Amino acid sequence: NAGVTQTPKFRVLKTGQSMTLLCAQDMNHEYMYWYRQDPGMGLRLIHYSVGEGTTAKGEVPDGYNVSRLKKQNFLLGLESAAPSQTSVYFCASSYLGEVGADTQYFGPGTRLTVL
Amino acid sequence: KQEVTQIPAALSVPEGENLVLNCSFTDSAIYNLQWFRQDPGKGLTSLLLIQSSQREQTSGRLNASLDKSSGRSTLYIAASQPGDSATYLCAVNTDKLIFGTGTRLQVFP
Repeated sequence: NAGVTQTPKFRVLKTGQSMTLLCAQDMNHEYMYWYRQDPGMGLRLIHYSVGEGTTAKGEVPDGYNVSRLKKQNFLLGLESAAPSQTSVYFCASSYLGEVGADTQYFGPGTRLTVL
Repeated sequence: KQEVTQIPAALSVPEGENLVLNCSFTDSAIYNLQWFRQDPGKGLTSLLLIQSSQREQTSGRLNASLDKSSGRSTLYIAASQPGDSATYLCAVNTDKLIFGTGTRLQVFP
């Protein structure tokens, strides 16, 4: 049982390049989330999904797109990377979701630098 | 807008001390509050979850309390150890998780 895994662990991009971050969970969780963590700002929710085939915007969605084609995977895409997207990105999953008051399980993070 | 504040931002203590970490939030309409631990370069690990109807939760040397009416939670760590060194984050659950910026704890031998 690997829990929540993220690929890649590190990435350096040039401004304007695109990339996709992959999150996978093997706990059969319905809900999945993407956060970014920046110094002094805490974790902020980018997008989330309440089930396969669904996605929704979080607090800071601009510049990102997501897809949930399979229940176990949640992809975060940057179409045209900007230096402001330099951050550590965390994926999380939970069984019941926010209102269901279930805890979230986090992946180890992806450290992204945009030059 | 819900805001979560954690005080202090950093704390350095000798091994064996009992610690209190504070978390305050501006809107008492929450479903629950969670405390997480984050080690450097790692993800978050959930420590305790307190439902809005509860007053406290305990796990080993950790005890978390919640006073929803005053918008406060505390995380009590008994008999601190060097292995407790990490950043501790609290998060309130409205319809999303709103995180504080954390307390960075260092416990030295």
